[in-house]
Amino acid sequence: GAVVSQHPSWVICKSGTSVKIECRSLDFQATTMFWYRQFPKQSLMLMATSNEGSKATYEQGVEKDKFLINHASLTLSTLTVTSAHPEDSSFYICSAREVDTQYFGPGTRLTVL
Amino acid sequence: GENVEQHPSTLSVQEGDSAVIKCTYSDSASNYFPWYKQELGKGPQLIIDIRSNVGEKKDQRIAVTLNKTAKHFSLHITETQPEDSAVYFCAARAGSGYSTLTFGKGTMLLVSP
Repeated sequence: GAVVSQHPSWVICKSGTSVKIECRSLDFQATTMFWYRQFPKQSLMLMATSNEGSKATYEQGVEKDKFLINHASLTLSTLTVTSAHPEDSSFYICSAREVDTQYFGPGTRLTVL
Repeated sequence: GENVEQHPSTLSVQEGDSAVIKCTYSDSASNYFPWYKQELGKGPQLIIDIRSNVGEKKDQRIAVTLNKTAKHFSLHITETQPEDSAVYFCAARAGSGYSTLTFGKGTMLLVSP
């Protein structure tokens, strides 16, 4: 199957700083990428959908100014958590669509101290 | 919008037994049903999917069945092995690949040796 990578796999930062997470589709071009957040023992919560070259579409309740998403190329999308706070600590997972199938990255564990 | 219910939330089986996880969906327009396996600390991995024009699909030890009339679909794992232990998520999507997936809450499968 198609491969999606994420970097970093984990990050620890201080409250108030910004963190950038990269998501890449390694062997296919993804016109659409998704960003999810997952709390312990819970399902995947869609944060936003990004299409290459256009603004992301955010789900209700997700602050677009806090979670900045850029999808500058067909193989790269980034999620920047701005002015991170402890409540932003979570497991962030990206997903990329090849044709009509979604593949997920390995996830990024963010811990905000 | 779409609502996906998944049962059971936890499932314990002995190695070699079969495991069945069931999902129901609410939107009769849904036409794509993937299953993902998520191991601890990792991203979801697509293991099998089925489209609404097919009633059953099999891939080695795993199979998925779909009943469009009843709006439910199931994952069947035969000859379970300890490495099958993980959280399994079902999902449903209406429309084309440009639509978003709606996930069930997940089933934690534990296979005991």
